[in-house]
Amino acid sequence: GGIITQTPKFLIGQEGQKLTLKCQQNFNHDTMYWYRQDSGKGLRLIYYSITENDLQKGDLSEGYDASREKKSSFSLTVTSAQKNEMAVFLCASSIGGAQNTLYFGAGTRLSVL
Amino acid sequence: QQKVQQSPESLTVSEGAMASLNCTFSDGTSDNFRWYRQHSGKGLEVLVSIFSDGEKEEGRFTAHLNRASLHVSLHIREPQPSDSAVYLCAMSMSPNYNVLYFGSGTKLTVEP
Repeated sequence: GGIITQTPKFLIGQEGQKLTLKCQQNFNHDTMYWYRQDSGKGLRLIYYSITENDLQKGDLSEGYDASREKKSSFSLTVTSAQKNEMAVFLCASSIGGAQNTLYFGAGTRLSVL
Repeated sequence: QQKVQQSPESLTVSEGAMASLNCTFSDGTSDNFRWYRQHSGKGLEVLVSIFSDGEKEEGRFTAHLNRASLHVSLHIREPQPSDSAVYLCAMSMSPNYNVLYFGSGTKLTVEP
């Protein structure tokens, strides 16, 4: 089995600040994802990457940057944190393809003061 | 319009009674469906994946898919208090199976 590690677990930022979230996986999966989870709204896709140095936008990419530095890591940057923003950011990985199953990390909980 | 709608928003059942959760999707070309579970403060855990009409069982969890009625359900046999969690339905479709669309979840509470 493998594991997905997200850091930090909790992130408190200031309005306008640039914030970076990190994700590491040891499944040796090709595809990695960043989802945002808001209360009552399910998960929404921000970015995904099908291989090292690849980036694909999801429905919620505006206001975010992402970087797939190597196969095992995928980072997400909030370019300008919004006041009172609260959400959970979930990283996932999969082998990709038609019947892929996503495996998720425990999440980074963001609060913006 | 949301691609995936879940009902009910919350459900309380007694330990040992069957729990049934529902998911409807808006696109008849949806192919692949999964049920995930999320315990409070944790990531998502996949329970059942189903790719064709009919039934798929994984232990106490059974998914039923009916594409004609745009409906997929999850039935939990003999639920226990440890099954209390948020259950999320997700689907993907051709040509880009890498993109999963999630419902907003059903919060299940199993009372002893």
